[in-house]
Amino acid sequence: GAGVSQSPSNKVTEKGKDVELRCDPISGHTALYWYRQSLGQGLEFLIYFQGNSAPDKSGLPSDRFSAERTGGSVSTLTIQRTQQEDSAVYLCASSFQGEVSGELFFGEGSRLTVL
Amino acid sequence: AQSVTQLDSHVSVSEGTPVLLRCNYSSSYSPSLFWYVQHPNKGLQLLLKYTSAATLVKGINGFEAEFKKSETSFHLTKPSAHMSDAAEYFCVARSVNTGKLIFGQGTTLQVKP
Repeated sequence: GAGVSQSPSNKVTEKGKDVELRCDPISGHTALYWYRQSLGQGLEFLIYFQGNSAPDKSGLPSDRFSAERTGGSVSTLTIQRTQQEDSAVYLCASSFQGEVSGELFFGEGSRLTVL
Repeated sequence: AQSVTQLDSHVSVSEGTPVLLRCNYSSSYSPSLFWYVQHPNKGLQLLLKYTSAATLVKGINGFEAEFKKSETSFHLTKPSAHMSDAAEYFCVARSVNTGKLIFGQGTTLQVKP
């Protein structure tokens, strides 16, 4: 596609429910990143994929968070048993060269609200 | 540990006046540095990047930034603000140890007519 596509753009859920957030990166980009942006905070790194493998999962805040990537393309971030502190904008980014060049292409984000 | 500090959380300027968004980094080495911009409800977009080729870096939309090693600074400037410049700006460093991107907390730029 022309850019990084994320869905849903907005998600409101009740505490304790599971949610899935989807990211469709730019075609041909092998590197894919998930970040979390909370109100008034900078971007918090969650996980990085190179192809279908995740060499760096160090940013996932708890075992309720998981992510996968299939076919070297679409990625899904899953949050189980959501908590109010999970409320944030979840941003996906992709890159041809990874963070080496620093040029990541970001999607518009999925805003998650946990009631 | 390497870190990025954006000295102002909020900057307000009048249209047509200069813009200065301040950023300091901490590192024992000269890192790669970037500025990203995020317009409301949009994804982040790369404005410019410094990778040691030149200390004064020109980016899109008339923005530029100067790397000053002695001051460990990478401030973003623009001679004349436009209403469309109103957005959130992030200073970013690439960690020399891990290669990961380290984001500052962001500066909200308000442009008044």
